[in-house]
Amino acid sequence: AQSVTQLGSHVSVSEGALVLLRCNYSSSVPPYLFWYVQYPNQGLQLLLKYTSAATLVKGINGFEAEFKKSETSFHLTKPSAHMSDAAEYFCAVMRGGATNKLIFGTGTLLAVQP
Amino acid sequence: DTAVSQTPKYLVTQMGNDKSIKCEQNLGHDTMYWYKQDSKKFLKIMFSYNNKELIINETVPNRFSPKSPDKAHLNLHINSLELGDSAVYFCASSQGSGSYEQYFGPGTRLTVT
Repeated sequence: AQSVTQLGSHVSVSEGALVLLRCNYSSSVPPYLFWYVQYPNQGLQLLLKYTSAATLVKGINGFEAEFKKSETSFHLTKPSAHMSDAAEYFCAVMRGGATNKLIFGTGTLLAVQP
Repeated sequence: DTAVSQTPKYLVTQMGNDKSIKCEQNLGHDTMYWYKQDSKKFLKIMFSYNNKELIINETVPNRFSPKSPDKAHLNLHINSLELGDSAVYFCASSQGSGSYEQYFGPGTRLTVT
């Protein structure tokens, strides 16, 4: 069975500081991995995805994530946090195939302090 | 132009009532989904349709019935609403095979009193 674990339900950083949101996955087959962002009272927006091409994936808004098979990790980073980055971030795994079922982590709420 | 839209955005109703949530996508996608986000923000898939055919049906009470009149629409009908049904329901769509990205609607916040 596939699953994702997001370490830290709340992360707080100062504006301009490095953002690091952790995600570890469990999958018996090569996974597809995603990061989504959810701003208050809005739907989910795709930040980036890994689908077995380059292990370093660049996304929107300056975010990137690195797929590390040896560590079963797909951590999300951004060099310099902005106030507008404050939101809930979800890591998700998908096996692919006919069902395309996304399995989400429990989310990490990112707070950015001025 | 809204890619995935849902109506209504907010729905407040009493226990025992029947209600529907509508979803439409104008992306030309083949696959649509319903997800439930509970009060702790946990997201879980409920259903998925591909070209109007049900392909995912998670362990959801049969009071929930999805209906897809065409591949651009996926509606969710809920009978005999219970307090525990209170949640945010998200519709999503994807091209199906190939790109795998799912595009989400803005959500419908259902409150059962």
